[in-house]
Amino acid sequence: GDSVTQMEGPVTLSEEAFLTINCTYTATGYPSLFWYVQYPGEGLQLLLKATKADDKGSNKGFEATYRKETTSFHLEKGSVQVSDSAVYFCALSAPSYGKLTFGQGTILTVHP
Amino acid sequence: ETGVTQSPTHLIKTRGQQVTLRCSSQSGHNTVSWYQQALGQGPQFIFQYYREEENGRGNFPPRFSGLQFPNYSSELNVNALELDDSALYLCASSLDRVYSEQFFGPGTRLTVL
Repeated sequence: GDSVTQMEGPVTLSEEAFLTINCTYTATGYPSLFWYVQYPGEGLQLLLKATKADDKGSNKGFEATYRKETTSFHLEKGSVQVSDSAVYFCALSAPSYGKLTFGQGTILTVHP
Repeated sequence: ETGVTQSPTHLIKTRGQQVTLRCSSQSGHNTVSWYQQALGQGPQFIFQYYREEENGRGNFPPRFSGLQFPNYSSELNVNALELDDSALYLCASSLDRVYSEQFFGPGTRLTVL
């Protein structure tokens, strides 16, 4: 079945550091790929998405590129802020079916 | 545009009891999905409702059941609560069952004692 694997956390960075959170997936066909963010005590917010190979999703300085050949969707940001501290989830959705399959989440803490 | 809302925010039950959680979908959305998020884990798909019919189910026992109403709001019912049912329950709505972008509510935190 479909699955998503994220890099182990937690990740601790200083403000303005470069961020990479790795995500790989297993799925049949061509899934859509997502990054969601969860702030403490809140639900999930869609951060960015990509629906086909080589698409780049971007939002709020975050980027991720849909790599079919390596089945990856790594999240990157050039300069993190304290306000980026949250839990980040990589997820996929199979074609024509709205079920989301999530990774285990990566806790990011950014220090001033 | 009103987002996805859920009630109640928090709930405490004892083992063996039954619980009903509620969700109002975002305006214009006809599909609702429910997820269970255990502490420190990613959300797990419970089931999806499209136009009042169940449209897919995850690996959850039959004591997890749901409803969707004509206004596309939804309920999640859990019977015979177990300690492991303690989790954050998330509702998400989408424009259509094949539209993959889902919008999440804030969740209901269920604690089973």
